Amino acid sequence: SAVISQKPSRDICQRGTSLTIQCQVDSQVTMMFWYRQQPGQSLTLIATANQGSEATYESGFVIDKFPISRPNLTFSTLTVSNMSPEDSSIYLCSASFPKTSGFSYEQYFGPGTRLTVT
Amino acid sequence: GNSVTQMEGPVTLSEEAFLTINCTYTATGYPSLFWYVQYPGEGLQLLLKATKADDKGSNKGFEATYRKETTSFHLEKGSVQVSDSAVYFCALTFTGGGNKLTFGTGTQLKVEL
Repeated sequence: SAVISQKPSRDICQRGTSLTIQCQVDSQVTMMFWYRQQPGQSLTLIATANQGSEATYESGFVIDKFPISRPNLTFSTLTVSNMSPEDSSIYLCSASFPKTSGFSYEQYFGPGTRLTVT
Repeated sequence: GNSVTQMEGPVTLSEEAFLTINCTYTATGYPSLFWYVQYPGEGLQLLLKATKADDKGSNKGFEATYRKETTSFHLEKGSVQVSDSAVYFCALTFTGGGNKLTFGTGTQLKVEL
């Protein structure tokens, strides 16, 4: 399996500010994703991070609020913009691998970024 | 659309008890199925998977069998330990669906001495 790291691991931010979360994978992956896990809830997919092009957002999530970059095959960022207390969640990135790697269809997750907005 | 339904928690067991966490799914076609585990304060770890009907995924003493006829993927372990205390998520994906995962709501397991 891959090693997926996220920075920061946690942060406390004031409303109205923005936070950028970084996700780094130690090997080349085909797909990267960003999820939100609100307190005590399951995971909700925010978007698929596409390398070299705009991310694909799920219903209810928009680029202005959650801009995403993926400049190469191993790195992605998610920005949570103009934050409000409702954005307090754990944000997780995940990655899946080329079919030739034998890990097709599996996603591996980073440790998450715990965000608190006051 | 696709959905995953899990039994509600928390599930509280004594050490060495038998564990079953029910998971059923609704999907068009035949998805790949997964169990993920989230230990306190950590991210998700892939526990086991099954990619076609009648496959049995297993890892760390946990097992789950892909039952097409009942659209189920129940998680079982014969003897739980305190260290198994975590939240367990059932999930599905389709290979042609961009590998997007659909998760169940999660089931918290507490194992006591």
